[in-house]
Amino acid sequence: NAGVMQNPRHLVRRRGQEARLRCSPMKGHSHVYWYRQLPEEGLKFMVYLQKENIIDESGMPKERFSAEFPKEGPSILRIQQVVRGDSAAYFCASSPPPALGSAKNIQYFGAGTRLSVL
Amino acid sequence: AQTVTQSQPEMSVQEAETVTLSCTYDTSESDYYLFWYKQPPSRQMILVIRQEAYKQQNATENRFSVNFQKAAKSFSLKISDSQLGDAAMYFCAYRSAGTYKYIFGTGTRLKVLA
Repeated sequence: NAGVMQNPRHLVRRRGQEARLRCSPMKGHSHVYWYRQLPEEGLKFMVYLQKENIIDESGMPKERFSAEFPKEGPSILRIQQVVRGDSAAYFCASSPPPALGSAKNIQYFGAGTRLSVL
Repeated sequence: AQTVTQSQPEMSVQEAETVTLSCTYDTSESDYYLFWYKQPPSRQMILVIRQEAYKQQNATENRFSVNFQKAAKSFSLKISDSQLGDAAMYFCAYRSAGTYKYIFGTGTRLKVLA
């Protein structure tokens, strides 16, 4: 059973370009979460998606950032017109349908994509 | 708002010795979960151990155990018989039972000395 797969592992973009980060959840998981890790900091929640639905995007910057999880294919985190401050590691996690109040709703993390903006 | 604090940016331990990593958190809720994640140089986030707040018994996973003090809002991780492969960043995380968001601390870098 493959884990959460993220690609690419490392993405280099110049200022003003677009970055597209992909995440394939674990088999059987229909819920995806994106987190951002700035240097020397912990992970910060960005967005929570189910198939074809954004459930909570309260952690997403208001501009340039968007996320989707289509019916078919991986979840995509898209950053338009990247700036140097977007340089960070972006982690995806997945879980089975959450049962609130259940400890079994554990999020399994991918290895992250390190975005470097030149 | 809930917060998680890890006050030790870096810790060192001799191989085969025991080390304790500290974590405190702030919440007004009574039902929540606490986690320790390990992040080796590969960056993969690996779940080490978890604790349900309603359980008084401290969680244990092989060489890893926690000291959960609910009243003090403290959740420390003890690693016994430290091994070179334990060297990594360790993150403490909190999740309210009523939500799915994890709140992470800033991490402690553990070095294991041969």
